[in-house]
Amino acid sequence: SAVISQKPSRDICQRGTSLTIQCQVDSQVTMMFWYRQQPGQSLTLIATANQGSEATYESGFVIDKFPISRPNLTFSTLTVSNMSPEDSSIYLCSVEAQTSGAYNEQFFGPGTRLTVL
Amino acid sequence: GNSVTQMEGPVTLSEEAFLTINCTYTATGYPSLFWYVQYPGEGLQLLLKATKADDKGSNKGFEATYRKETTSFHLEKGSVQVSDSAVYFCALRVLGGYNKLIFGAGTRLAVHP
Repeated sequence: SAVISQKPSRDICQRGTSLTIQCQVDSQVTMMFWYRQQPGQSLTLIATANQGSEATYESGFVIDKFPISRPNLTFSTLTVSNMSPEDSSIYLCSVEAQTSGAYNEQFFGPGTRLTVL
Repeated sequence: GNSVTQMEGPVTLSEEAFLTINCTYTATGYPSLFWYVQYPGEGLQLLLKATKADDKGSNKGFEATYRKETTSFHLEKGSVQVSDSAVYFCALRVLGGYNKLIFGAGTRLAVHP
């Protein structure tokens, strides 16, 4: 299994600024994912981040807006750049880790609730 | 493409009522299917899963059977409790590439005493 922490847990930001969200895992994992959950909506994958390579972005998401770092096997950051009120969402970090049954499962962090004014 | 459709909420039930939340999917290949639960103020937790046709996932009194013929994975519980109040997400994963999860829209369940 994997225990994931995120910082900050919530923030209120001004339009035009940027926020970096940190994700820390208690074990080494190859694959990390960043999701967005807009108010009342489901989760949408932003990008997949593997250590040592460029992040892979989903359709509708670009690196200039959501730059991602993955410096090692236990840590990643997601930056939300030049924010607008439409970026108000919960941002979740997720990792794929092996369970006791040797099955790969995705575990989720508690999320970062972002409000842009 | 791959997608998940689940019934719209909110679903409001009295304690000890029977629960069904419908989920259907469209997928290329042979997906694994999941139900995740998000309790108020908490992150997503895996509730149950099924990796092949006719598998039944179960946990905490919840069950769901992987039905390939109807491309469905409906969530059921025989007797809900107030503590089951949460948002439930159906999801699929097609192996290969980055193994990403594709989620349904989520169904909010409210259980009243």
